[in-house]
Amino acid sequence: RKEVEQDPGPFNVPEGATVAFNCTYSNSASQSFFWYRQDCRKEPKLLMSVYSSGNEDGRFTAQLNRASQYISLLIRDSKLSDSATYLCVVLNTGGFKTIFGAGTRLFVKA
Amino acid sequence: DAGVTQSPTHLIKTRGQHVTLRCSPISGHKSVSWYQQVLGQGPQFIFQYYEKEERGRGNFPDRFSARQFPNYSSELNVNALLLGDSALYLCASSLSVGNSPLHFGNGTRLTVT
Repeated sequence: RKEVEQDPGPFNVPEGATVAFNCTYSNSASQSFFWYRQDCRKEPKLLMSVYSSGNEDGRFTAQLNRASQYISLLIRDSKLSDSATYLCVVLNTGGFKTIFGAGTRLFVKA
Repeated sequence: DAGVTQSPTHLIKTRGQHVTLRCSPISGHKSVSWYQQVLGQGPQFIFQYYEKEERGRGNFPDRFSARQFPNYSSELNVNALLLGDSALYLCASSLSVGNSPLHFGNGTRLTVT
């Protein structure tokens, strides 16, 4: 079993749609959680950290469920510019081992 | 301010050769980590260095090694290259470890023929 697993995608949605991505992790001792965005042939960039109480940044909402060991990302009112691969990231082992999911590809169409 | 810089941008090597990739972190960042990314996959963790010491290692063979210098820049070395080592190698720096966000360089695209 992979340490971090994501919805395989791709997700094809129209502009204005709401889309949700899920991510599960296997290590219950995992400490910190993030969502990164990666555009085609570019480096990953931090989208948002994920806090235990859930957090929101504009159209983006992240949730963490430690009991079930999953993380989610909700994107509301999708824009064409949201088209990218979304990577779920988990920090283990005292913060010294960063595990990326395989990524979920999102296509937003006009 | 300069971001994370990696060199070279692209590299072509032959099986069995050795390669050295370089990374300069953002000024003030003391942690550098290395990742391998193949097409269609997320980045795979190779090493993390903090304050010039190795603090974390992923599931890569001993052919992969790295070090961090007093100025916090870093090198990733790969010996006895295999075709399967062809990938994008990403370096990321962060202020410290734990909750510090990772800032990635543009990567080095390595092709092994």
